[in-house]
Amino acid sequence: KAGVTQTPRYLIKTRGQQVTLSCSPISGHRSVSWYQQTPGQGLQFLFEYFSETQRNKGNFPGRFSGRQFSNSRSEMNVSTLELGDSALYLCASSLGEDLHYGYTFGSGTRLTVV
Amino acid sequence: GENVEQHPSTLSVQEGDSAVIKCTYSDSASNYFPWYKQELGKRPQLIIDIRSNVGEKKDQRIAVTLNKTAKHFSLHITETQPEDSAVYFCAAHPGGSSNTGKLIFGQGTTLQVKP
Repeated sequence: KAGVTQTPRYLIKTRGQQVTLSCSPISGHRSVSWYQQTPGQGLQFLFEYFSETQRNKGNFPGRFSGRQFSNSRSEMNVSTLELGDSALYLCASSLGEDLHYGYTFGSGTRLTVV
Repeated sequence: GENVEQHPSTLSVQEGDSAVIKCTYSDSASNYFPWYKQELGKRPQLIIDIRSNVGEKKDQRIAVTLNKTAKHFSLHITETQPEDSAVYFCAAHPGGSSNTGKLIFGQGTTLQVKP
């Protein structure tokens, strides 16, 4: 079956702009989590959605937001981009409510802010 | 706050040797501990995981051990091969209903296996 699909793979934006990233989970997976990966901070949790509800949010400013649709696809949005937002954004999907089923990560969207 | 410390940050071994990566977590309610392998330019891939009610788990050349009392868990790779070269991340799932879907990751270990 298809894995977790993230689009686009690469993105270059200018400071102050906004960006929307998309994540399609594995079919049947209802939980989608988002992470920011940078060389300095590693993998940091952004938020998690289950059945269209945000259940958990990490320590990121309000410029970072997301949503989940009825088909479990998820989007994250970053407004008023800053240079420090340059990172690899990864989404991961999980089968059930309980994380013990494990995550499957997508290949990520590489965002560069100039 | 919730934290996972991972050591060492880099590890170089000869092919055929064993490699051990250690992690310590801060939240005693953590109940699930996965390990991910990330090759350059690729996505993190789950290689093994362990739940808090188990002390050890093995899958071919890979094993993970968990010491809940000490809040330590470790990854052991035996008979290393050049294709094991990658960045390895440990993670912990903090317990509690407020932490659904969340993993706290260690900073990663770059493993180099020299032929």
